[in-house]
Parts: sequence; structure tokens; C-alpha cells
Amino acid sequence: NAGVTQTPKFQVLKTGQSMTLQCAQDMNHEYMSWYRQDPGMGLRLIHYSVGAGITDQGEVPNGYNVSRSTTEDFPLRLLSAAPSQTSVYFCANRRSQAFFGQGTRLTVV
Amino acid sequence: AQKVTQAQTEISVVEKEDVTLDCVYETRDTTYYLFWYKQPPSGELVFLIRRNSFDEQNEISGRYSWNFQKSTSSFNFTITASQVVDSAVYFCALLYTGTASKLTFGTGTRLQVTL
Repeated sequence: NAGVTQTPKFQVLKTGQSMTLQCAQDMNHEYMSWYRQDPGMGLRLIHYSVGAGITDQGEVPNGYNVSRSTTEDFPLRLLSAAPSQTSVYFCANRRSQAFFGQGTRLTVV
Repeated sequence: AQKVTQAQTEISVVEKEDVTLDCVYETRDTTYYLFWYKQPPSGELVFLIRRNSFDEQNEISGRYSWNFQKSTSSFNFTITASQVVDSAVYFCALLYTGTASKLTFGTGTRLQVTL
């Protein structure tokens, strides 16, 4: 029972490149979300989903896309990476409490 | 709007000292949940406690205790007899219930415990 699994753990991108951060859960929770963590700013919500086929924007959605075709998977797409997207990204699911993946440290150069 | 404030950015204590991490929240909802998470240097987020808005009982778990006071909108976290392994960033978070509820985090308090 892995809980919430994120891949990759580390990634370096060049400005303008695109990529997808993967998130998978085996807990069958309807609610999933993506956060970014930046120094001094806590965790800020990027996008979230309340179930398969339903997604919505969080606090800082610009430059990111998500989709939720299955309950298990919730990938986060960076359309055209920018240095401002250098951050640590966390995927989470939630029922009574949030369970987080291990995080992805992304650097955009 | 929901907001969580952790005014203490960094705290340094010597091992065995007691330390309290402050958390103040804002919400218009009457039903909500409050959380504390720990982020050790390895980076993962570890769930510590969840408290609902109708339960103001203080909670103790080993060296950890939590004081929830609705009158002051605070949910403070105390570590008794701190240890080096307590060194981490601690986040307080608020979850309001209702449609598309979102978990809102404070900016975190970095606790450094030294020998």
C-alpha cells in the first residue's frame, strides 16, 4: 500500500520546456490536489480535483494544467516552464486528513 | 476567505527546553478542521493532528500537546522537553467544510533544536 506516489523526485528543465509531474494513489480517495512549496510561503494550492472528470483551480493555477481521467491518477502539466516555477511540488489526496507524496523538486534554468 | 498565520518564522531552542508554536486562523465557517504537519529535513510532510471546530479539548500525545481556543482563533502546538529529532518545519493548516473545500496552510515555523 504505497499511499500517494509522485514521480520524478528531481527534475531540471530549461525555460520553455514542458513536462508532466505524475501523481498516483492507491487509497481510492476522491479528492486530490497539487501544491507548490516556496521558501517563506508555505504550501499554496495549484489545482485540485473532487473526483474523476472534475478539476478546478486553486490559488496559483497559472502555467499549470491538470486532468483527472481516473480516481487513481492526477498528473500536473507545466506547459512552458519558467524560472518562477522552480519549486517543490507536492501531490496530496484527502479524506479526513491529507496524505502527501514525497515531493518533486523542480528547477527551471 | 480562509487564512492561517504562523507569525514565528524560526525558533531556536536548546534540547530539553519546552517550545510553543503559535497558529492563528481566520474563517467564517462554523464547521472546520485544523491540522498540524511536520516537515523534517528529509522533506516529506508528516501528519501530526486533526482537530474539528466543535472539539476544544486539549490533546496530549507523548511530548506533544495542542491547545485549541476558538475564542482567540488559535491552535497552538507545544513540544515538551524538545529533542534534536524535533528539528523541522511545522505547518498549521485549516480545512473548511463544504463544496470543494480546500486545505489552507500557514507559512510554517522552522524549529531548530540544538544540544
